[in-house]
Amino acid sequence: EAGVVQSPRYKIIEKKQPVAFWCNPISGHNTLYWYLQNLGQGPELLIRYENEEAVDDSQLPKDRFSAERLKGVDSTLKIQPAELGDSAVYLCASSFGTGWQETQYFGPGTRLLVL
Amino acid sequence: GIQVEQSPPDLILQEGANSTLRCNFSDSVNNLQWFHQNPWGQLINLFYIPSGTKQNGRLSATTVATERYSLLYISSSQTTDSGVYFCAVTSFWETSGSRLTFGEGTQLTVNP
Repeated sequence: EAGVVQSPRYKIIEKKQPVAFWCNPISGHNTLYWYLQNLGQGPELLIRYENEEAVDDSQLPKDRFSAERLKGVDSTLKIQPAELGDSAVYLCASSFGTGWQETQYFGPGTRLLVL
Repeated sequence: GIQVEQSPPDLILQEGANSTLRCNFSDSVNNLQWFHQNPWGQLINLFYIPSGTKQNGRLSATTVATERYSLLYISSSQTTDSGVYFCAVTSFWETSGSRLTFGEGTQLTVNP
């Protein structure tokens, strides 16, 4: 069974440029998560989808960040415009169900460097 | 929100040694998971353990929910155990489903 797939694995951009990250969850997983991980810290949730619906986006900086999950499968996270402080690892995870007891499976992440 | 504290922040071992990692949390939880992040950044789920004890090979975990802590035991450590170990919890009072709050991790280095 394939795991969570993310692309690109690495991205270097200049500040004020837009950037997008893509995630394909494990087949059959209805719940998809985007996390931000700064160096030396644990991941922090940005947004959680149940199928196509964003059910928890309270920690997503909506002035520059946006996300979508069309058809309830793949998801895209976008930053426009990027700032120096956005340099981090962006992790995607998925789980089968929607309950609090679900195990989350993580992708390899996208390492973003904003110059 | 719920607070998660992990200790120690850093741990250096010789191959073959045993270790115990601790996770304290500030409120009741209904989900607690231990993860290993390898040096390449991949997060691997080790245990789902909101209470009780589980074992998987050289790893075992115990959560005492009433006292708000969890322990991860690594026995006969190997160099491949190196990486960061994260504890993540969902507060019992979280109404929006599975929002995991992660601790800051324990950086484990196992030397040959």
